[in-house]
Amino acid sequence: QSVLTQPPSVSGAPGQRVTISCTGSSSNIGAGYGVHWYQQLPGTAPKVLIYGNNNRPSGVPDRFSGSKSGTSASLAIIGLQAEDEADYYCQSYDSSLSGYVFGSGTKVTAL
Amino acid sequence: EVQLVDSGGGLVQPGGSLRLSCAASGFTFINYALSWVRQAPGKGLEWVSSISGNGGNTFYADSVKGRFTISRDNSKNTLHLQMNGLRAEDTAVYYCAKLMTWLGSHDSWGQGTLVAVSS
Repeated sequence: QSVLTQPPSVSGAPGQRVTISCTGSSSNIGAGYGVHWYQQLPGTAPKVLIYGNNNRPSGVPDRFSGSKSGTSASLAIIGLQAEDEADYYCQSYDSSLSGYVFGSGTKVTAL
Repeated sequence: EVQLVDSGGGLVQPGGSLRLSCAASGFTFINYALSWVRQAPGKGLEWVSSISGNGGNTFYADSVKGRFTISRDNSKNTLHLQMNGLRAEDTAVYYCAKLMTWLGSHDSWGQGTLVAVSS
C-alpha cells in the first residue's frame, strides 16, 4: 500500500483537461516537502514532468502543470493529447519513514 | 547530456546475491546524490535506497534494510547496489536515478536492469 494515494486511472477526450490527485499526510506533503511528478511510457524509464510542486523542466510541454495544497497535490494536463497516454506517479519525501515515497500510479487514457 | 547506464541484473535463486552497477556521465558525479528505484512486474515505483554525493549518508527502504547495501565510486563515476538474501518479492526492474537535490526530485534515470529471483 503506497504512502501517497492516486486514482488508479483517469481518462478524457483529446483536448480536454484531466487532473490526477496525490494525497499524502503530515509527514510528507503536509510537512512541506516538494512534490514531483513523473511520466512513464510503456516499456520505458520514468521521466520527470514537474519538480518542486509546480516547476517544469525544459522540454516539457506547458500543458502539464502542478499544484499543491495542504497534504495533497495535483497534476493537470490541459488539452489532453493521444501521446499523453502513460502512467503518472507523484513522489515526495517522508520524514517518518526517512525515505522517498512514490504514489500508487495513475494510468491516463485518451478516449 | 546526463547518461545513466544500469547493468548487473539477471536470474538468481532465493537467498542468492547480485550486484548492480550504474555508470554515469555528463555531470559532476560527486556533486549529486543518487538513488535506486525498483518496479515489480506490472506494479508501481518503489524507492529502494539513496546515497549522498560523498557517500557519507545512506538510507534504505524498510523492505531492503539489512540485506541491500548502496555504495558509489566517485573515481569511476559508478553507483552500486549489493543485494544479498534475495527474495521472490525483490523481482523487479531496478533503475538508478540522479537526485536534483537532496530530498528533491529524480531528474535523470537509467534504462533499468531486470532482477528475477526464482528457483
